Formats: sequence, structure tokens, C-alpha cells
Amino acid sequence: DGGITQSPKYLFRKEGQNVTLSCEQNLNHDAMYWYRQDPGQGLRLIYYSQIVNDFQKGDIAEGYSVSREKKESFPLTVTSAQKNPTAFYLCASSIGTAEQYFGPGTRLTVT
Amino acid sequence: AQSVTQLDSHVSVSEGTPVLLRCNYSSSYSPSLFWYVQHPNKGLQLLLKYTSAATLVKGINGFEAEFKKSETSFHLTKPSAHMSDAAEYFCVVSDLSNTDKLIFGTGTRLQVFP
Repeated sequence: DGGITQSPKYLFRKEGQNVTLSCEQNLNHDAMYWYRQDPGQGLRLIYYSQIVNDFQKGDIAEGYSVSREKKESFPLTVTSAQKNPTAFYLCASSIGTAEQYFGPGTRLTVT
Repeated sequence: AQSVTQLDSHVSVSEGTPVLLRCNYSSSYSPSLFWYVQHPNKGLQLLLKYTSAATLVKGINGFEAEFKKSETSFHLTKPSAHMSDAAEYFCVVSDLSNTDKLIFGTGTRLQVFP
């Protein structure tokens, strides 16, 4: 069953702690993306990777970090430097310029 | 720069009546355009896409959209709404400076009443 998995579905953390969100795909897609979604807003791009061992900052990369050591995996770390980390985080993948396929999302709450 | 504007933040319809979700885009070139749907606390699912082939694009679940270059519009329609259509809908344009990137509208929440 091909697709994108994100875990966990819900995540709670205390302020000041780093947290890593998982994203795995078995679609054999080269490109992967992380988005943040806040109520009443569209999706905003955090980071993206077009190939293993390479990634680029999106529009709101401050306070986040990523790695792309394997084609299937693109974990996102929300660091303590992110001033407003509570949000819904979505991972996506694509083949080049084709449409993007999205995972089910992780809702992060930081208190 | 490319951009997309969804003209309504909320749309309410009765079950069985037509649906119209409006989207205007801004682009110097012929863009690639998409409509995605998101049910509560879920990821996004592609409904349909326009990539410079036929201007009337048919998607899943009975939805379709028409690309009108003269009006810079890409409105989403469905002849008869179903309760299961209640969701958030996003109009999306590809970023021509980097076609791996997508630019999202702010979304339209569709409510369907029985």
C-alpha cells in the first residue's frame, strides 16, 4: 500500500524542548516537503528536498531543521528557537514538477 | 510573482444544489493549477489539476474546474453537493521560478446542509 506516513498524529511538548516529526514515503518520489498550516491560512513551506543529502529553506524555515539521509525519509525538527511552534504540520512528496501527495499530518501542541 | 486568491472563505449550500468555489490567479505565464481538498485533521487530497491541456478539467468525486485565461480564473464546480463534500478546499498554483514549489490559497470552507 503506497503512501506517505507521518507520526505521531498528535504531539505535545513543553516550551523549550526540541521535537522531531517523522515523515516516511514508499512512493519512490525524489522530492519531499514540509508545510505548516495555521487556522484560516493556507499552507506555508518550511523546507523542501529535491534529492537525498540536499535540502532548501522554504518561506518560514527559521526555528526548524531537516535532514534527508534516505530517499524515503525527511524528518523535521522543531527547535526551541521557533517562537510559535503550535500548528498542524504536513509532509508531502512529488516526482519533479508533478502534483504533490500529502501525508495525514501531525498536530503539535507546545505549552 | 505567482499568487492565488480564493474569493470566499466560507461557502454554504444545501445537499443536492450546485457548488461554486472561486479562485483567481496571478501569473505572467500559463501556470499549472490545482485544487486540493482537506477533511478535518487530515492531509490534502488532489481533486484535479490543469497543466495547459484541455481548459475544462474533470476531477474526482464529480468536481470539475475551468481554466479561463481572459479572466485569470480557475473556479471549482460540482452540479450536486453531497454531505461528504463538506471540507476545506485549496486552490494552488505552481511557482514558475521553481516549479517544485506550490503556492496555496487561504482556503474555502464548504458547508453542506441537509
